[in-house]
Amino acid sequence: DSGVTQTPKHLITATGQRVTLRCSPRSGDLSVYWYQQSLDQGLQFLIQYYNGEERAKGNILERFSAQQFPDLHSELNLSSLELGDSALYFCASSVAWLYNEQFFGPGTRLTVL
Amino acid sequence: KNEVEQSPQNLTAQEGEFITINCSYSVGISALHWLQQHPGGGIVSLFMLSSGKKKHGRLIATINIQEKHSSLHITASHPRDSAVYICAVTWEYGNKLVFGAGTILRVKS
Repeated sequence: DSGVTQTPKHLITATGQRVTLRCSPRSGDLSVYWYQQSLDQGLQFLIQYYNGEERAKGNILERFSAQQFPDLHSELNLSSLELGDSALYFCASSVAWLYNEQFFGPGTRLTVL
Repeated sequence: KNEVEQSPQNLTAQEGEFITINCSYSVGISALHWLQQHPGGGIVSLFMLSSGKKKHGRLIATINIQEKHSSLHITASHPRDSAVYICAVTWEYGNKLVFGAGTILRVKS
């Protein structure tokens, strides 16, 4: 158990819908990362927050957004869902914002029908 | 071309064998990570290294910065080592992970 929690574990929804994925980092970690793992693209970095502020952005679609709250939990919002958004979404956390080992949550499996 | 290349893509071994998985990357990095992903999907961080060698139990990770190459070794492999092993790097001055495609390891008893 990494200490990072993600909810829900599984999510099934329809195209065009909007969903919110939630992540709680390990106690003491200030940085949260979001990753997407799909069959055709593998693991890809989406976005990083550190202590409430966005620190780095990767291949995140405009339909996706994220935020980190004062209690350091983070949410990833996915809207206007398409079939291709079906994937495993992982959250990871680390102590600092740079050059740190990252600890991964169990992931949320999103299926868009 | 992927910036992080892993080989082999698939590997089948007999229990007890010594296993090596290789990772090459194209530009300067600040750190290299080895991750393990089990069939259930969860990802575990095995090593983070920027130079030399690290050992944890039967796992050994090495990195050669000049050659831009890292290896993950598993000694006395066991069926429970069956998983996908993923190499990832953090570029210099960056803080996002860039991942290799992964190596699917199956250890038969």
